[in-house]
Amino acid sequence: GAGVSQSPRYKVAKRGQDVALRCDPISGHVSLFWYQQALGQGPEFLTYFQNEAQLDKSGLPSDRFFAERPEGSVSTLKIQRTQQEDSAVYLCASSLNNHFRETQYFGPGTRLLVL
Amino acid sequence: RKEVEQDPGPFNVPEGATVAFNCTYSNSASQSFFWYRQDCRKEPKLLMSVYSSGNEDGRFTAQLNRASQYISLLIRDSKLSDSATYLCVVNARSQGNLIFGKGTKLSVKP
Repeated sequence: GAGVSQSPRYKVAKRGQDVALRCDPISGHVSLFWYQQALGQGPEFLTYFQNEAQLDKSGLPSDRFFAERPEGSVSTLKIQRTQQEDSAVYLCASSLNNHFRETQYFGPGTRLLVL
Repeated sequence: RKEVEQDPGPFNVPEGATVAFNCTYSNSASQSFFWYRQDCRKEPKLLMSVYSSGNEDGRFTAQLNRASQYISLLIRDSKLSDSATYLCVVNARSQGNLIFGKGTKLSVKP
């Protein structure tokens, strides 16, 4: 079956540009997570949705980062006025429900480079 | 101090070797534990969950020591295809977001 998909796979932005990253979770998955992975590091949590509700955005590094999931399926992570330190791989993951033992399935990521 | 700390690596081992990775976590309220595998320029994929009683999946054995807040992964009879970065992961809250270690790179040589 189809896994988690993300688009675009690669994005090059000039400093100050706004970008939008899309995540299509596995159909029927209630929970959706965004993570940021810098080079040589493990993924770091950004934000979490249960259906359309954003239950935790404690990991968003600044108010330039905004995420939404208006209909409880597709999610968009938006970064305004991009900075060089935003360069990273942005990973989306989904899970069937919000139980702590539930497996999270990751998408291939969007590799963002800010020049 | 990071919430999840792993051996720095890299581990360079010959085929057939046994290799062990260790990990410690700082939050005693952590509820679930995993090892994920990440190939170069790919997404993380679940390798195995880790249970208090220890668990085994083929050549892979994971152990958890809650008292010491320590997690381990043992790989026996290493294959070339085991070359990857192994991420130690914990979940400290019921809502499910994962906390990753930095990862340990394993390179299995012929």
